[in-house]
Amino acid sequence: DAKTTQPPSMDCAEGRAANLPCNHSTISGNEYVYWYRQIHSQGPQYIIHGLKNNETNEMASLIITEDRKSSTLILPHATLRDTAVYYCLTTARSNFGNEKLTFGTGTRLTIIP
Amino acid sequence: NAGVTQTPKFQVLKTGQSMTLQCAQDMNHEYMSWYRQDPGMGLRLIHYSVGAGITDQGEVPNGYNVSRSTTEDFPLRLLSAAPSQTSVYFCASSRRDRVDEQYFGPGTRLTVT
Repeated sequence: DAKTTQPPSMDCAEGRAANLPCNHSTISGNEYVYWYRQIHSQGPQYIIHGLKNNETNEMASLIITEDRKSSTLILPHATLRDTAVYYCLTTARSNFGNEKLTFGTGTRLTIIP
Repeated sequence: NAGVTQTPKFQVLKTGQSMTLQCAQDMNHEYMSWYRQDPGMGLRLIHYSVGAGITDQGEVPNGYNVSRSTTEDFPLRLLSAAPSQTSVYFCASSRRDRVDEQYFGPGTRLTVT
């Protein structure tokens, strides 16, 4: 799996868009980009994933650069409940169940009232 | 669905004691895994299983045993607890072909004195 680099912490004003960057310059062609978040003391929660196209779901949007070396998770209208640690991961998908998710230290996002 | 459940929520052990952390899921997921999370660090994979009767080691397996006799349950056994095993333990599950999208339990906070 490619190594990912994220800023250790970020602040965002409530109601504004939170943009969380992730660098994955060694990503392979068959590796997807995933984002999870972990709200204090809870288990991580899957947010979104993508390969090379931009993706959007009810929680967030994922923008992947054309060269796939970096991506940005966007929370369009951040609320206080979005305060959490956000993890960016990369892994190749398989049907065999042998891939392993590697969680780094993530970005601690604080939403400020 | 209850999702992924873990018991106990909290546990204090003395050095040398053994115990089993319980994990169960009701989503008929083939893949289950155990992670530990130490303060200020990301999650590290301990053991995982791709189906009943099949287990494999993760990144930090020493001092832990697992077995998978049913699809629903994946207990983690600490053979002889050590202070270095003080941590928060998370169990997760997913479909075997979607290991990238895991559902995490609420965690067990273990202290070894």
